[in-house]
Amino acid sequence: DTAVSQTPKYLVTQMGNDKSIKCEQNLGHDTMYWYKQDSKKFLKIMFSYNNKELIINETVPNRFSPKSPDKAHLNLHINSLELGDSAVYFCASSQGVEGQRAFFGQGTRLTVV
Amino acid sequence: RKEVEQDPGPFNVPEGATVAFNCTYSNSASQSFFWYRQDCRKEPKLLMSVYSSGNEDGRFTAQLNRASQYISLLIRDSKLSDSATYLCVVTTGTASKLTFGTGTRLQVTL
Repeated sequence: DTAVSQTPKYLVTQMGNDKSIKCEQNLGHDTMYWYKQDSKKFLKIMFSYNNKELIINETVPNRFSPKSPDKAHLNLHINSLELGDSAVYFCASSQGVEGQRAFFGQGTRLTVV
Repeated sequence: RKEVEQDPGPFNVPEGATVAFNCTYSNSASQSFFWYRQDCRKEPKLLMSVYSSGNEDGRFTAQLNRASQYISLLIRDSKLSDSATYLCVVTTGTASKLTFGTGTRLQVTL
């Protein structure tokens, strides 16, 4: 069973469109994250949720809106996609908020054309 | 100054070689330290946690020097399968936030 699964794995879309990426974890963790890995391979945190509450919101454009319907799911909706949004987006989860080991999903490769 | 800095490499080493990576972090209040491994077009996976006392897992040894704010990873007897990017990761503060270095690429060759 996949511990952290995100869909879709690949997403190609035109500028200006709105798209969502879904993430689910079956590890029973209470903290979930979205990370962005750009073309230079740098991984940067975007959001973190603990028990459905937003605890980290790095300086991400408000076109990006995370939603956590329950602690096993953290979805990412992106409005008005731009070329610069092209990247690999990783969902992750961990237990607690004290920097415990994080498990990552396989990533969603988003290409905006 | 970046929060976590690593030499991006690549480090090209022959099989059987010993290779060491260093990583420095800027925030002295950082609490937890990890090495993650990322294969090409794959997700990062935890390689090992890093403790002040140093820890070893098979061919891998990690060390933390809080006074100098650096972390090291030593790989002995390198294998072809060790070829990957090694990411230094630090957490700071009470909110869970993994801060990644840019990674060090290792290529082990025959």
